Amino acid sequence: GAVVSQHPSRVICKSGTSVKIECRSLDFQATTMFWYRQFPKQSLMLMATSNEGSKATYEQGVEKDKFLINHASLTLSTLTVTSAHPEDSSFYICSAGRLYTDTQYFGPGTRLTVL
Amino acid sequence: DQQVKQNSPSLSVQEGRISILNCDYTNSMFDYFLWYKKYPAEGPTFLISISSIKDKNEDGRFTVFLNKSAKHLSLHIVPSQPGDSAVYFCAASNSNTGKLIFGQGTTLQVKP
Repeated sequence: GAVVSQHPSRVICKSGTSVKIECRSLDFQATTMFWYRQFPKQSLMLMATSNEGSKATYEQGVEKDKFLINHASLTLSTLTVTSAHPEDSSFYICSAGRLYTDTQYFGPGTRLTVL
Repeated sequence: DQQVKQNSPSLSVQEGRISILNCDYTNSMFDYFLWYKKYPAEGPTFLISISSIKDKNEDGRFTVFLNKSAKHLSLHIVPSQPGDSAVYFCAASNSNTGKLIFGQGTTLQVKP
């Protein structure tokens, strides 16, 4: 399967700081990447669709000013959690799919803990 | 509104037997369905998928069945192995948007 990486794998930060998470497709180009969030013992919830070269589209209830998404190239999307608070602590996962295919491949996830 | 549902939170199966995981969906616009396997603190791993134009897709020990009229899909694993123990998520998408909607997951335990 395709390889998608995320960095960092774990991050602990103080409340009020901003955290950037990178998602890279290593062996293919992805015009669209997706960002998900998973709280303990819950399903993966889609946060936003990251579109290369244009603005991200956010799901209902997700604050676009809090979760900044940049998709500057066909292999990299970044999610920045701004002014993080303890309730933002979660497991953030990105996914990407090859052009003209429906299967998405997921990164290993980033565990964010906000103190 | 839970568009994709996995009503069984857990399933326990003996090694060598068949594991059947079920998934129901409500949105008739979904045209592509996937199963993922997930371990704690890791990203989901793609297992198998099926397009809405098919009713069955097989890959080794994994078979996915789709019943469009019932809006139901299932994943069969046979024979089950202890290494199959994990959380299994079904997901559905519409090819126009590409967005995946996930079910709640089913924890499979395969006992030796």
